[in-house]
Amino acid sequence: SAVISQKPSRDICQRGTSLTIQCQVDSQVTMMFWYRQQPGQSLTLIATANQGSEATYESGFVIDKFPISRPNLTFSTLTVSNMSPEDSSIYLCSALPIAGGNIQYFGAGTRLSVL
Amino acid sequence: KQEVTQIPAALSVPEGENLVLNCSFTDSAIYNLQWFRQDPGKGLTSLLLIQSSQREQTSGRLNASLDKSSGRSTLYIAASQPGDSATYLCAAQGGSEKLVFGKGTKLTVNP
Repeated sequence: SAVISQKPSRDICQRGTSLTIQCQVDSQVTMMFWYRQQPGQSLTLIATANQGSEATYESGFVIDKFPISRPNLTFSTLTVSNMSPEDSSIYLCSALPIAGGNIQYFGAGTRLSVL
Repeated sequence: KQEVTQIPAALSVPEGENLVLNCSFTDSAIYNLQWFRQDPGKGLTSLLLIQSSQREQTSGRLNASLDKSSGRSTLYIAASQPGDSATYLCAAQGGSEKLVFGKGTKLTVNP
C-alpha cells in the first residue's frame, strides 16, 4: 500500500494567479497521475507524471496551463497556471506502488476555488 | 474511447438493506475494473479490483462482479450500514494503466 499526502487541502485563489499542489508518497512508486474532478463530474486524467522527464498530457490538457514536475520516485507537483473560475475543481494525485498489484492509491485531494 | 456509466446517480436506502450499484463500460478490452469509495475531504479508497480474467471479488460485505462481454460490473453491498454512506466510483483500466471513471453513485444509508 501507499499513503499519499497532498497539500494544500483547499485554497481560494484570485483569477490570473497560479497555485502549486504538492503530492508526497511514503514509498517508491512506478507511476504518478494527476486528476481533475469538476463539480458533479467524474475524475478526468490530466497527465501522467514521469520521473526525470516531461509529463504525458491527456487530450485537452497542456503543459503551459498545467506544468508538472516529478523530481524523484516519491514526489510530484501540479501547477494550475493563470487561473480562471473554470479551474475551480478538486485536483487529486494518485500513485501505483512498485508492489501494488495495479491498485492506484489516491491523495485526499485539493479543493480549489477561483474567484 | 472508453466511457464508463454508473446507475443510479444517487440511492437512499434504510439501514440493513442489501443493494446493488451498477457500472457499464463501452470498451471490453480492459485490464481490470476497480471500485472506489469517495468520502468528502478524504480522497478515494480502493475497495475491490477485478482482473479481466476474473468474474468476481469479495471483501467482507462487498462483492463485485465483472462481465466483460456485456461491459458490465456490479457492486453488491450486504446489510448496509450508515457508515457505508459515500460516493462509489467504478473505473476501467486499459493497458496503459490509465483509469477511466464513471460519475459515481452517491449512497445514503439511513439509520
